[in-house]
Amino acid sequence: GAGVSQSPSNKVTEKGKDVELRCDPISGHTALYWYRQSLGQGLEFLIYFQGNSAPDKSGLPSDRFSAERTGGSVSTLTIQRTQQEDSAVYLCASTGPSADTQYFGPGTRLTVL
Amino acid sequence: GESVGLHLPTLSVQEGDNSIINCAYSNSASDYFIWYKQESGKGPQFIIDIRSNMDKRQGQRVTVLLNKTVKHLSLQIAATQPGDSAVYFCAENTNDYKLSFGAGTTVTVRA
Repeated sequence: GAGVSQSPSNKVTEKGKDVELRCDPISGHTALYWYRQSLGQGLEFLIYFQGNSAPDKSGLPSDRFSAERTGGSVSTLTIQRTQQEDSAVYLCASTGPSADTQYFGPGTRLTVL
Repeated sequence: GESVGLHLPTLSVQEGDNSIINCAYSNSASDYFIWYKQESGKGPQFIIDIRSNMDKRQGQRVTVLLNKTVKHLSLQIAATQPGDSAVYFCAENTNDYKLSFGAGTTVTVRA
């Protein structure tokens, strides 16, 4: 597609449930990032994928969070046993080879009741 | 209108005036900086970037200034329009791939 896409755009779930958030990066982009943005806050880095290299998971806040990237393209962020403090907008970004600029998707707004 | 990074996270500006949004960055080793605009309900949108070997870069109605001596970055918007109302984030490249984002400045354009 022309840009980064994310689905769903909104997700409401109950505390304790698992959720999966999807990101489709720009075609040909080798690097993919996940960020979390709480209400009125800046972006918090979660995880980074680059090609076939081991991902940088240093930003994941707990072991309830995990992400994978299949075939070097689509990525899924999974949050297990969701908590109310997980409520936020989850943003995905991708970058092309030899480029620094990250291009963002529209985000998934997660609400944990 | 002018903001001073984290200390004035909101900026109200009259339509047609110039806006200046400021950002203090933390890492003197950062060599790449980006300004993003985020409208309500949308992801951040790239506006302009600058590398540390430059101190000024101009785009369409926007100018980014970099002062490495005091680790300060600013975004100037000329002839601010209602469509410029958004949250503006500065970001610095702290290693080869990771960006560190500021808290953002909310710009509101008054008609």
